[in-house]
Amino acid sequence: GQSLEQPSEVTAVEGAIVQINCTYQTSGFYGLSWYQQHDGGAPTFLSYNGLDGLEETGRFSSFLSRSDSYGYLLLQELQMKDSASYFCAVRGNPGSARQLTFGSGTQLTVLP
Amino acid sequence: DSGVTQTPKHLITATGQRVTLRCSPRSGDLSVYWYQQSLDQGLQFLIQYYNGEERAKGNILERFSAQQFPDLHSELNLSSLELGDSALYFCASSVGDSYNSPLHFGNGTRLTVT
Repeated sequence: GQSLEQPSEVTAVEGAIVQINCTYQTSGFYGLSWYQQHDGGAPTFLSYNGLDGLEETGRFSSFLSRSDSYGYLLLQELQMKDSASYFCAVRGNPGSARQLTFGSGTQLTVLP
Repeated sequence: DSGVTQTPKHLITATGQRVTLRCSPRSGDLSVYWYQQSLDQGLQFLIQYYNGEERAKGNILERFSAQQFPDLHSELNLSSLELGDSALYFCASSVGDSYNSPLHFGNGTRLTVT
């Protein structure tokens, strides 16, 4: 099967930089994605890494190292609105590579 | 607004009952996914359909079933409901079935079983 590990909580101050790590175990890897979810809201797609390296989208960047089964989401110039849960997710399991499995999520709290 | 519509937004029902959750994907999206999110839990994958066919199945209980219709909307049926089925049920859609297709989530149906 698949498993993902990410920290349950992270706290940072407005304007700071925060990194949310994700390690995964999966049979057959087809990319690492990141999603953001505000309390009670719909998850929204942030980024996808299919190959090693850094992907940058505005204040958010995501990194992948397939050899280390590791990735991270980097949030820069933190704003209060970034307070949310962040989920890493992988595709790939023995049964179907199309299944997207989510980690348990990291609750980010941004303090003023 | 993701363009994915889920109805109803809230559902309160009793144990043993059966409910149907409905999802309309974004225009043009062929894949529909169902996820369950319990309180303070992650998103548990239930099932995926692509253009009417079942593509992937997660840890979906036998009491649960789903289908995708020719107009691409999908329904998730939950029967013999138990207290533990209380959760937020999300539907998501994507354009295709490729590995890098981002999922677009609806606002969810909050199910409360009493």
